[in-house]
Amino acid sequence: DAGVIQSPRHEVTEMGQEVTLRCKPISGHNSLFWYRQTMMRGLELLIYFNNNVPIDDSGMPEDRFSAKMPNASFSTLKIQPSEPRDSAVYFCASRKLATSTDTQYFGPGTRLTVL
Amino acid sequence: AQSVTQPDIHITVSEGASLELRCNYSYGATPYLFWYVQSPGQGLQLLLKYFSGDTLVQGIKGFEAEFKRSQSSFNLRKPSVHWSDAAEYFCAVVFLNTGNQFYFGTGTSLTVIP
Repeated sequence: DAGVIQSPRHEVTEMGQEVTLRCKPISGHNSLFWYRQTMMRGLELLIYFNNNVPIDDSGMPEDRFSAKMPNASFSTLKIQPSEPRDSAVYFCASRKLATSTDTQYFGPGTRLTVL
Repeated sequence: AQSVTQPDIHITVSEGASLELRCNYSYGATPYLFWYVQSPGQGLQLLLKYFSGDTLVQGIKGFEAEFKRSQSSFNLRKPSVHWSDAAEYFCAVVFLNTGNQFYFGTGTSLTVIP
């Protein structure tokens, strides 16, 4: 199994630009999570989906952030417009919803730098 | 509210010494507990998990953890630390009645001195 795939691995952009992060969950997993990790705030849950439906987006910092999951094998996290304080590592994770004791499987992350 | 606490932000141990990383959770529901390790520039990797049965669980890389319901704790241990164990360690919990949401601690950074 290829594991959770995230792209790009690194993104450097200028303030005000639109940024799109992509995630492909593990095949057969029907729950997907987006996290943000910074030194100051640690690991924060931004949003998660069950069966492609957003369940909890209370962690999304503001309207500049949006996430979609158009199908079971793809999700995007978009920041528009981006700001320097958005610089962080963004992780995607997936798991099987029906197996409540199973772990989340994390992708390698996207390191975002906003200049 | 549900929460997970890792009281130690940073720990330094000598190679070969024993290690214990603390994790406490709050809330009354049945917890499923996990420990993850994150090496620099990497994602989180599962070390071990507990959901029922024997309260002492064994994981990868020689780690173990003990669930103590009376103390709401799930501390991670290793008898002899190796230099390659230097990393960030995260405790996480899923509560039975909340289904799918994982709650992560703030992490403990481990430095290993040769």
